[in-house]
Amino acid sequence: TQLLEQSPQFLSIQEGENLTVYCNSSSVFSSLQWYRQEPGEGPVLLVTVVTGGEVKKLKRLTFQFGDARKDSSLHITAAQPGDTGLYLCAGAGNNDMRFGAGTRLTVKP
Amino acid sequence: DTGVSQNPRHKITKRGQNVTFRCDPISEHNRLYWYRQTLGQGPEFLTYFQNEAQLEKSRLLSDRFSAERPKGSFSTLEIQRTEQGDSAMYLCASSSTHNYGYTFGSGTRLTVV
Repeated sequence: TQLLEQSPQFLSIQEGENLTVYCNSSSVFSSLQWYRQEPGEGPVLLVTVVTGGEVKKLKRLTFQFGDARKDSSLHITAAQPGDTGLYLCAGAGNNDMRFGAGTRLTVKP
Repeated sequence: DTGVSQNPRHKITKRGQNVTFRCDPISEHNRLYWYRQTLGQGPEFLTYFQNEAQLEKSRLLSDRFSAERPKGSFSTLEIQRTEQGDSAMYLCASSSTHNYGYTFGSGTRLTVV
């Protein structure tokens, strides 16, 4: 079982639509990270959030860390085909990061 | 610095054979991690080094698996007597702290036939 639960598991939308994906846990994390992974490649870091309630923006992507530091969300505005990929969240354990199973996003032109 | 480099990118081996993968981390990073990822799953932690010391090993790492980081620079992951269940993407990452961004390599995809 994954320590971090991500939802939805799959999401297919049209170009221009908005979307939100979620990362939930019963554990408190000192930090949480979001990565994007393309087929056959390693994950690429998008953002790290540290403070409860923190909001970070990266162009059309908005990341929020829950007040209790147990959950996070990623909102994409006006999705583009280039946003297609596997979005992974990861929470800091004692010595390493532990990952969720990811949300596989497909944006159709 | 060209980031984290992993070799080979792909490896096909027969069941029962031994395989070894290499990871060259970002030179300033003293932490190095190995993860395994299967289809439809996120990366699963295998082991981690701080400099040359292997400080944590997952229960996923059976006695057929061994990892080394002899001089605190590159690392190798060896799988002995491979089984079909070992087929996966093996990812290496490096960082300077445990709770901030990791830089991942492109991975080695192992197929055991």
